[in-house]
Amino acid sequence: NAGVTQTPKFRVLKTGQSMTLLCAQDMNHEYMYWYRQDPGMGLRLIHYSVGEGTTAKGEVPDGYNVSRLKKQNFLLGLESAAPSQTSVYFCASSFPRSGGPSTNEQFFGPGTRLTVL
Amino acid sequence: GEDVEQSLFLSVREGDSSVINCTYTDSSSTYLYWYKQEPGAGLQLLTYIFSNMDMKQDQRLTVLLNKKDKHLSLRIADTQTGDSAIYFCAESIGGYSSASKIIFGSGTRLSIRP
Repeated sequence: NAGVTQTPKFRVLKTGQSMTLLCAQDMNHEYMYWYRQDPGMGLRLIHYSVGEGTTAKGEVPDGYNVSRLKKQNFLLGLESAAPSQTSVYFCASSFPRSGGPSTNEQFFGPGTRLTVL
Repeated sequence: GEDVEQSLFLSVREGDSSVINCTYTDSSSTYLYWYKQEPGAGLQLLTYIFSNMDMKQDQRLTVLLNKKDKHLSLRIADTQTGDSAIYFCAESIGGYSSASKIIFGSGTRLSIRP
């Protein structure tokens, strides 16, 4: 099992350019998440998905869009990148905790470091 | 609102115990977690504690939960250079049939002195 993988690992964009970050998981998890990590601010949830075909907004969704067309993939899009979106982006996945003993542990990818000039 | 707070830095001598503290605000937490992030990597779950427990021990790790004061701590005994990392406290909010929300603290960077 590869777990959670993210592509690309690094990217530099100019203001106004667009890009898509890809997250893939092979653990058959229902839930997937996109976070951004900024110095001194911990992790902030951008968007999440509770299943194929569904997405929901997190704490900081503005400027981002997501899609979950397949259960194993969760895409994060930046339509018009801004310097404020310079960050490290982490994808995570987890089992649902519906009635079972699962601790809802989230499994994280290695991150994508994005710089917007 | 929901918030998790922890100090940003901790420096410990090799071989000593490290204690990382965290406070949280939501009393409906079901699980509380400690995640570890090594340089250039994603977060990995280190340990967790269910909210009806007050202590959990796992080898060199001891987690203490004071639910009354909403205080969580992680003690690492005999701290080694490999323990250098950022440690995130997190709480899980929401019932068993919901997409549990996890709130992360800002992370404590643990550095080890020789």
